Amino acid sequence: RKEVEQDPGPFNVPEGATVAFNCTYSNSASQSFFWYRQDCRKEPKLLMSVYSSGNEDGRFTAQLNRASQYISLLIRDSKLSDSATYLCVVNLASGGSYIPTFGRGTSLIVHP
Amino acid sequence: EAGVTQSPTHLIKTRGHQATLRCSPISGHTSVYWYQQALGLGLQFLLWYDEGEERNRGNFPPRFSGRQFPNYSSELNVNALELEDSALYLCASIRTPGQRYTGELFFGEGSRLTVL
Repeated sequence: RKEVEQDPGPFNVPEGATVAFNCTYSNSASQSFFWYRQDCRKEPKLLMSVYSSGNEDGRFTAQLNRASQYISLLIRDSKLSDSATYLCVVNLASGGSYIPTFGRGTSLIVHP
Repeated sequence: EAGVTQSPTHLIKTRGHQATLRCSPISGHTSVYWYQQALGLGLQFLLWYDEGEERNRGNFPPRFSGRQFPNYSSELNVNALELEDSALYLCASIRTPGQRYTGELFFGEGSRLTVL
């Protein structure tokens, strides 16, 4: 089982739609959770951190469920510019330290 | 502030040869992570350097190695290149834990290695 798992998609949605992505992680000792965005052939960039109480940034909402070991990202009112790959990142315990571990990413395509 | 810089942007090498990739972190960042992103795959953790020391390494063979210099820049070496080493190699730096620490990784644009 992969340490951080995501549905690769693609999720193909019309503009204005609401779309949700989930990500599961294997190690309950994990700390610090993030969503990154990666555009085609570009480097990943931080979209938002994920806090235990859940957090919102404009059209984006992130939630963490420690009991079930998953994090989620909700995008409301999708824009064409939201088309990208969304990467889930979990700091997994490894050899006494925590390593930012990436999921394979979920591809989102927003069409007119 | 200047971002993370990586060189070269593209590199073409022959199987069995060696490749060296370089990374300069954001000024003031002491930690550098290296990741491999093969086509269609996610980022795979390679190496983590902090304060000049190797702190952790991922599940890669010993022919993947590197170092961090006193100015916190880093180098990734791949020896005895194999075709499946063809990938985008990404370097990221992170702010030292303390004030303003968020855990955010700042990535360079990557070095694309092609092995023929």
